[in-house]
Amino acid sequence: SQTIHQWPATLVQPVGSPLSLECTVEGTSNPNLYWYRQAAGRGLQLLFYSVGIGQISSEVPQNLSASRPQDRQFILSSKKLLLSDSGFYLCAWRITGPNTQYFGPGTRLTVL
Amino acid sequence: AQSVTQLDSQVPVFEEAPVELRCNYSSSVSVYLFWYVQYPNQGLQLLLKYLSGSTLVKGINGFEAEFNKSQTSFHLRKPSVHISDTAEYFCAVSDRGKGYSTLTFGKGTMLLVSP
Repeated sequence: SQTIHQWPATLVQPVGSPLSLECTVEGTSNPNLYWYRQAAGRGLQLLFYSVGIGQISSEVPQNLSASRPQDRQFILSSKKLLLSDSGFYLCAWRITGPNTQYFGPGTRLTVL
Repeated sequence: AQSVTQLDSQVPVFEEAPVELRCNYSSSVSVYLFWYVQYPNQGLQLLLKYLSGSTLVKGINGFEAEFNKSQTSFHLRKPSVHISDTAEYFCAVSDRGKGYSTLTFGKGTMLLVSP
């Protein structure tokens, strides 16, 4: 069966510091991968998605970036965090065919 | 572009009472429809989905939803709720025609079940 991991689970970072969040999927090949952010009172916002290694599409312009160095690894990064980057970051995966996304456990990021 | 409206930000109910969480969507193309549940500080778990076929969809934990194309709605129902159903519920849509299937979510409805 497939599983999805995210780490760290929680993170407290100062404004202006860098960020790296990691997501890995097990038990499947060539998944579509997604990063979402959930901010208080704003629902879920799609940040990036990837249909393959090295292929990244951005949905919202911001100071975040994403990379997919391996088939089942998806990384969310920032060079300098802003206060507004605080939130709950969720990674999701989907395989071609069944049109359903499955979510990881999330990372709670607090920028101070 | 699609949009999803969840009409209630919070729904308080008593245990064993029925509940309906409302979801309306707007789209210029055909869509797939989903309901997810999120427990505190956890990821989203798929409750049910409508892809095609019968408009009444049954999901996990006794939930069901009905797709109404004319009213562009996909309301979630449960005949008798438990305390453990307390969570946030998200309705989502995706474009049938897009292979990479991005989801557009509503802002969520917090279901509060009290004894």
